[in-house]
Amino acid sequence: KAGVTQTPRYLIKTRGQQVTLSCSPISGHRSVSWYQQTPGQGLQFLFEYFSETQRNKGNFPGRFSGRQFSNSRSEMNVSTLELGDSALYLCASSLVGAQNGYTFGSGTRLTVV
Amino acid sequence: AQSVTQLDSQVPVFEEAPVELRCNYSSSVSVYLFWYVQYPNQGLQLLLKYLSGSTLVKGINGFEAEFNKSQTSFHFRKPSVHISDTAEYFCAVSGGGSQGNLIFGKGTKLSVKP
Repeated sequence: KAGVTQTPRYLIKTRGQQVTLSCSPISGHRSVSWYQQTPGQGLQFLFEYFSETQRNKGNFPGRFSGRQFSNSRSEMNVSTLELGDSALYLCASSLVGAQNGYTFGSGTRLTVV
Repeated sequence: AQSVTQLDSQVPVFEEAPVELRCNYSSSVSVYLFWYVQYPNQGLQLLLKYLSGSTLVKGINGFEAEFNKSQTSFHFRKPSVHISDTAEYFCAVSGGGSQGNLIFGKGTKLSVKP
């Protein structure tokens, strides 16, 4: 079966712009989580959605937001981009949550210039 | 709050030698524990998970990890490594239940030399 699909794979944006990243989970998976990966901070949890509701949120500013649609596909949005937002953004899906283990996508590499 | 410490940032090892990657966690509640691997320019792949039951968890390709509640550790082992095992390995913890907020360690770069 198809894995977790993230689009686009690479993105270059200018400081101050906004960006939307997309994630299609594995069919049947209802939990979708987002993570930011940087060399300095490592992997940090952004938020988790389950059945279109945000179930958990990490410690990121309000510029970072997300949503989940009825088909479990998810998007995350970053507004007013800063240079420090340059990172690999990873999406992960699971049947219902952590106890099933999370399957990660290949990520979107965002570069802010 | 939960945290994960991976005790070695880099581990060089020769091919066919055994390897152990160390992971300690802190949590005030029961946890689920995971090991993931990341190859360059790719996402994370789940290798092993501990939810409950037997403290020795075995995965494919000879990987295994042992949960030790008293020492709050979840060390990863492989008896014989291959060049293809060169990658970065991450230990992660979640707070039990369904909540999907994994807390990751900083990662251990395993470098297998011929």
